[in-house]
Amino acid sequence: DQQVKQNSPSLSVQEGRISILNCDYTNSMFDYFLWYKKYPAEGPTFLISISSIKDKNEDGRFTVFLNKSAKHLSLHIVPSQTGDSAVYFCAACARDYGQNFVFGPGTRLSVLP
Amino acid sequence: DVKVTQSSRYLVKRTGEKVFLECVQDMDHENMFWYRQDPGLGLRLIYFSYDVKMKEKGDIPEGYSVSREKKERFSLILESASTNQTSMYLCASTKSRGRRVGYTFGSGTRLTVV
Repeated sequence: DQQVKQNSPSLSVQEGRISILNCDYTNSMFDYFLWYKKYPAEGPTFLISISSIKDKNEDGRFTVFLNKSAKHLSLHIVPSQTGDSAVYFCAACARDYGQNFVFGPGTRLSVLP
Repeated sequence: DVKVTQSSRYLVKRTGEKVFLECVQDMDHENMFWYRQDPGLGLRLIYFSYDVKMKEKGDIPEGYSVSREKKERFSLILESASTNQTSMYLCASTKSRGRRVGYTFGSGTRLTVV
């Protein structure tokens, strides 16, 4: 059973609009979350993180929101750019698991010109 | 910049062959990981290592083994390749256990087993 879920396999958004990518998790021990972006034929690259002591973290056009009670986080990209088209992975880890992150299946974002 | 280098971008191997996937990192990272990426399944952890000569099974170790003889190098071995091991393989590293930093990934090796 997947502990980290990204229920939308794909998402299309118009350039300049907001992209919202969602992630749900089942393990209440998870206390640190990351988003990675992956272009074809490249490895994933770190985008933004959030600790469970926060409910929001912002970095430029990227904001991650965490709702611990709902075990849900979301990544907002505003404004979306065509270069944001990629697969986005949500990842989570728990202190007891050391450095091992559990990844979601990914959401393919297409930003249309 | 930290660099994680995977020796091959694309590999085609025959069923039953022994396959070696090599990964080298150049920033003295203690922790190294092997994942495979499949559509709809995301990244699944095969094996990881927190130190030289140390290895731990991940979520899907069956059919794989690993070797970490030197700190900078972590090899994934497919003992007898099968078609269901056709996948994108990603190596990652990170500095030290307990620190909440993300992984640095290599560019991946796309393996096709025919």
